[in-house]
Amino acid sequence: DTVLTQSPGTLSLSPGERATLSCRASQTVINYLSWYQQRPGQAPRLLIYSASRRATGIPDRFSGSGSGTDFTLTISRLEPEDFAVYFCQQYGGSPSFGGGTKVQIK
Amino acid sequence: QVQLQESGPGLVKPSQTLSLTCSVSGVSISNNAYFWSWIRQRPGEGLEWIGDITYSGDTYYRNPSLKGRVSISADTTKNQFSLNMTSVTAADTAVYYCARTYASASRYFDPWGQGTLVTVSS
Repeated sequence: DTVLTQSPGTLSLSPGERATLSCRASQTVINYLSWYQQRPGQAPRLLIYSASRRATGIPDRFSGSGSGTDFTLTISRLEPEDFAVYFCQQYGGSPSFGGGTKVQIK
Repeated sequence: QVQLQESGPGLVKPSQTLSLTCSVSGVSISNNAYFWSWIRQRPGEGLEWIGDITYSGDTYYRNPSLKGRVSISADTTKNQFSLNMTSVTAADTAVYYCARTYASASRYFDPWGQGTLVTVSS
């Protein structure tokens, strides 16, 4: 099974700052990598699919990049509603998720 | 607008069977662009894909960790799909989500149901 490792575990930033989240796969997933946001008490919401494509209705401050084993989610300027947990997910035969990165207010 | 809603008991006794249903609106579960998945999240933990059912009724499960305890089925007349998990233990306590899965090479989940908490306890 492909294991996804997200870093850092927690990111402490202020509104307006740039957030850079990493997701590393134990083997290549080509570009079959998605990102989700989960706010407290809510279901995850799709942000990015196919490594770099924004889902419908997602603001352009969210962007994804990478291929193979190394991927990045960037939030260009944090808004108050962006403080949440972010998960990456791969599809390499059997879907799996990373452990998550919590973006919290500094 | 596509919506998914989970339903089922919130409390299940150890060794019994967990049964959940996901009601889908806004799209037919027979649409060949999508599969239909179950995903769970144990308290304070990450997400775990359980399995899915395709538009033609084929099923795929997370093996071997669930060790044959899981089955997913669909009722196209009601536009619903269901999860059965046998011989549950406390380790199966989690929020269970259903989600639409894009049947593309980059299989991803959108949207998700709101989730339902299932507690396994006597």
